[in-house]
Amino acid sequence: QEQLVESGGGVVQPGRSLRLSCAASGFTFSSYTLHWVRQAPGKGLEWVALISNDGNDKYYADSVKGRFTISRDNSKNTLYLQMDSLRAEDTAVYYCARAMGSERPLSRYFHYWGQGTLVTVSS
Amino acid sequence: DIQLTQSPSFLSASVGDRVTITCRASQGISSYLAWYQQEPGKAPKFLIYAASTLQSGVPSRFSGSGSGTEFTLTISSLQPEDFATYHCQQLNSFPLTFGQGTKLEIK
Repeated sequence: QEQLVESGGGVVQPGRSLRLSCAASGFTFSSYTLHWVRQAPGKGLEWVALISNDGNDKYYADSVKGRFTISRDNSKNTLYLQMDSLRAEDTAVYYCARAMGSERPLSRYFHYWGQGTLVTVSS
Repeated sequence: DIQLTQSPSFLSASVGDRVTITCRASQGISSYLAWYQQEPGKAPKFLIYAASTLQSGVPSRFSGSGSGTEFTLTISSLQPEDFATYHCQQLNSFPLTFGQGTKLEIK
């Protein structure tokens, strides 16, 4: 069955960097659009970034544009989120999510989710 | 950006009750809306897409309706496992956005 497992979270100082990974299994990784979605403590869900199945198209929330970079390695079935210039307001559980497909609108639904990894930005 | 406003934010109900949650969009989004269920400390679960299509495996007591700017999620007869937080999400345009969530609690 489909599985997504995030890793790489932790405590980091403001202004520093962190890279999250999401290892996928149980489906044809290269056939699906992937996303990062975050949830600050006690808050709602916030979409962060999307990457197309072939990695050629990427979209970002304004709150992370220019600081975060989404990427994927289809040979390793792994999704990444490079987070630079981290701020306190980036503190959240970060989820990777697989879409329903690779074409709109299926590419914009969050079909399967990982368990999340907590990122805490604090001095 | 398209804003989604859920009402109510908190809902207290009993097992067996019928409940309805509303999600209003700040502009028309056709039927490009999904619903998710989230239990405390867990990842969200995909419930409904295209405003009214039930994801495979989701109990039939869940239903969704609406188009344009107003949408509803209805649970026809609450079960103990339904007490959770529910989120709506629009996919009409970027940035993809969520409602603030509706926490459904046991009365």
